[in-house]
Amino acid sequence: GAGVSQSPSNKVTEKGKDVELRCDPISGHTALYWYRQSLGQGLEFLIYFQGNSAPDKSGLPSDRFSAERTGGSVSTLTIQRTQQEDSAVYLCASSAISGANVLTFGAGSRLTVL
Amino acid sequence: GIQVEQSPPDLILQEGANSTLRCNFSDSVNNLQWFHQNPWGQLINLFYIPSGTKQNGRLSATTVATERYSLLYISSSQTTDSGVYFCAVVGGTSYGKLTFGQGTILTVHP
Repeated sequence: GAGVSQSPSNKVTEKGKDVELRCDPISGHTALYWYRQSLGQGLEFLIYFQGNSAPDKSGLPSDRFSAERTGGSVSTLTIQRTQQEDSAVYLCASSAISGANVLTFGAGSRLTVL
Repeated sequence: GIQVEQSPPDLILQEGANSTLRCNFSDSVNNLQWFHQNPWGQLINLFYIPSGTKQNGRLSATTVATERYSLLYISSSQTTDSGVYFCAVVGGTSYGKLTFGQGTILTVHP
């Protein structure tokens, strides 16, 4: 697509439920990144994909967080047994070449855990 | 991992004023980007500038990689320049992972 598309744009869930966040990168971009931004804070790296593999997933906060990418395109970030501290905006970005190229961000998915 | 520090944390300007934002980083980098996050949360890439100087309209940026800093210049500021400016880098040994600074919050008053 023309830009990075994320869905849902807004998600409200109850503590303990699982959520899935989706990212559709720019067509042809091989690198895909997930970041998290809590209210008034900077961006916290979660995971990065090159193709379908994840060379760096060091930022995933706990084993409740997982991500996958299929077909070198769409990625899904899954949060199991959500906690209130998971509330944040989850941002996805893609680039044509990992590490050495310009990142284009999506509009984000705002997650609120009640 | 690499550390990124931005200054000042907050900046308030009158429309028409000029400003300089600074980004210091703790290690060599192979990628440095400046972003603007508008009040609606959208992050827009301003510059990809691991070294050298670039200009785009009223904005310009300079990175002195050997001294581990980058500067973003905003001239003749406008109210639409308000938002948060982030510097982000990929450290020499952190292939792919872009580390962000905490940002500079810019408010431009009419």
